[in-house]
Amino acid sequence: DAKTTQPPSMDCAEGRAANLPCNHSTISGNEYVYWYRQIHSQGPQYIIHGLKNNETNEMASLIITEDRKSSTLILPHATLRDTAVYYCIVNGGTSYGKLTFGQGTILTVHP
Amino acid sequence: SAVISQKPSRDICQRGTSLTIQCQVDSQVTMMFWYRQQPGQSLTLIATANQGSEATYESGFVIDKFPISRPNLTFSTLTVSNMSPEDSSIYLCSVQGPEAETQYFGPGTRLLVL
Repeated sequence: DAKTTQPPSMDCAEGRAANLPCNHSTISGNEYVYWYRQIHSQGPQYIIHGLKNNETNEMASLIITEDRKSSTLILPHATLRDTAVYYCIVNGGTSYGKLTFGQGTILTVHP
Repeated sequence: SAVISQKPSRDICQRGTSLTIQCQVDSQVTMMFWYRQQPGQSLTLIATANQGSEATYESGFVIDKFPISRPNLTFSTLTVSNMSPEDSSIYLCSVQGPEAETQYFGPGTRLLVL
């Protein structure tokens, strides 16, 4: 799987948008970009994924650059409950389903 | 989404003993995965468990240490054998969701080996 690079930590004010970047410059054409988060002491939670196009669901939006070498997860109105470690994962091809977790970004949402 | 439960939720064990962790899913799934999360670290895939076939282990993990069973499409077990303090971790199972591109994780089993 392609390697991803994320900032180790980010802060966000409650009610504001949280924009979490991820670089995946070696991504292959058949690999998806996934975002998961892990709230303290819980199992990881699936957020969103995409291949080429921007995606939106009830939790977040995923913006993927045209060259697919980077992406941004957007939490439109962050709440205190969004404080978690956010993982950007690239997966697909022969390793499909076998997720490789990096260190992720610790997002802290402040009141 | 799939609802996943794990037993036990936590345990404290003595070195040299073994612990079997159970993972139960509320729907039939083809692929199940076992991960380990060491203290302060990210998740590492241990193995993939498909029903009706031997588990496939990742580099650094062996069947003698982490035997896995997958007797049906809703259940799997992971055994941590001959435990040492280095095995103290959170062990998580995950399954592929109804939309095959997604995975859902159980709450984890917190293991402390003394």
